[in-house]
Amino acid sequence: ELKVEQNPLFLSMQEGKNYTIYCNYSTTSDRLYWYRQDPGKSLESLFVLLSNGAVKQEGRLMASLDTKARLSTLHITAAVHDLSATYFCAVDTGRRNNTNAGKSTFGDGTTLTVKP
Amino acid sequence: KAGVTQTPRYLIKTRGQQVTLSCSPISGHRSVSWYQQTPGQGLQFLFEYFSETQRNKGNFPGRFSGRQFSNSRSEMNVSTLELGDSALYLCASSLKQGGGELFFGEGSRLTVL
Repeated sequence: ELKVEQNPLFLSMQEGKNYTIYCNYSTTSDRLYWYRQDPGKSLESLFVLLSNGAVKQEGRLMASLDTKARLSTLHITAAVHDLSATYFCAVDTGRRNNTNAGKSTFGDGTTLTVKP
Repeated sequence: KAGVTQTPRYLIKTRGQQVTLSCSPISGHRSVSWYQQTPGQGLQFLFEYFSETQRNKGNFPGRFSGRQFSNSRSEMNVSTLELGDSALYLCASSLKQGGGELFFGEGSRLTVL
């Protein structure tokens, strides 16, 4: 069964600092997504990574995908309070692997708190 | 463009009752997936519907069921509610079957007493 592991699960950081969230997954996939969830809200798509070496950037967030290492990173640059949220990575396994055919499997989420 | 709409947003039920949740996807999206979110278990996949057919199902008991209509709107039903069914139920729509970028609704928060 596909496992998606994020670390850290909780991250408290100072404004202006940099940090990286890691997402490891256990089976072959070249489709990975990052989502953001604010407290009491739903999930919002941040990044779609569809190939090995894909890199996407939006503001202070940058996501990358290494399919050979089965690893994605979400890098935060010069954090600001508005980035406080829970970040999820999700991996698609499609129909190549019938056990997990056709769904997105989510990590447990990383709750980020940015302090002044 | 309207987003994913879920109703009701909040509901309280008692053990043994049943509940039906509704989801209207983004116009043009034919895939609807349902997820259960709880503090202890995180986001758990329930099932996906595409073109009115269930295409994939997660590891939930048969008390959890769903359907999709010809206009892509979907409903999920939970029968014989248990305390552990208290959760945020999220619906997500996407263009393609079997995953892809998901667009989530605001969720239906179910409390079972």
